[in-house]
Amino acid sequence: DAGVIQSPRHEVTEMGQEVTLRCKPISGHNSLFWYRQTMMRGLELLIYFNNNVPIDDSGMPEDRFSAKMPNASFSTLKIQPSEPRDSAVYFCASSYSGWDTQYFGPGTRLTVL
Amino acid sequence: DQQVKQNSPSLSVQEGRISILNCDYTNSMFDYFLWYKKYPAEGPTFLISISSIKDKNEDGRFTVFLNKSAKHLSLHIVPSQPGDSAVYFCAASARNNDMRFGAGTRLTVKP
Repeated sequence: DAGVIQSPRHEVTEMGQEVTLRCKPISGHNSLFWYRQTMMRGLELLIYFNNNVPIDDSGMPEDRFSAKMPNASFSTLKIQPSEPRDSAVYFCASSYSGWDTQYFGPGTRLTVL
Repeated sequence: DQQVKQNSPSLSVQEGRISILNCDYTNSMFDYFLWYKKYPAEGPTFLISISSIKDKNEDGRFTVFLNKSAKHLSLHIVPSQPGDSAVYFCAASARNNDMRFGAGTRLTVKP
C-alpha cells in the first residue's frame, strides 16, 4: 500500500492566486481529513469527510477555503484567493472509519508570497 | 481555544535515559488519546493510544499514562534512542467528535 498520497509536495505562489492541493487516501478508508500545521497553532483540523460527505467543516478558516471529495479515492483543498497568512504545511489523513487511527500523507508545504 | 496543550516546545535527553513528554487537556468529554510522531518533511505517524477506561498502555519502549482527574497524559520512552528524535504530538477526541492536537514537543536524543 502506498499510503496517503499528496500533491504537490511544495507549492510557491503569489498572493491572490488560486491554489489546489490534492490527496489520495488509502484504499478502503472511509474517512478523510485535511489539517493545517503552523508554528503558532500546531496541527489544526480543517475539514473531515466520511464516505465522501463533508461531516465537519467548522475548522475551515474562511470562505476562501473549500474542499471537495468527488469520490472515495480523491479529495481537493482549494484556496482562492490565497494570502500570505495561508502559508503552512497542509496534511491530508485517512482512516478506516471516523476517528480511528489516522494515517497521514507527507504534507504539502505552501508558501504564499 | 486550545483544548490540548503541550507546554514544553522542546526536550533534550541523553541516549539510554527516559524521555517523558507531557500533555494536558481541558475537555472532560475526551475519551480517546493518541500520540503521533513526526519526522521532518514527513506526515505524523501514529505511535500509541489509550482509551479513557485505562490509565496505562504499553507498547515496547513506549508507555502512555492517563490521569483523568488531572486531565493529564504523558508518554514515556525508555530507553531513549537517537532515532526517537522527532516532534511528538498529543491528540484527543471524544467519540464521534473532532480530534484536537497539541502544538507538539520536539524531542532530541543525544548520543
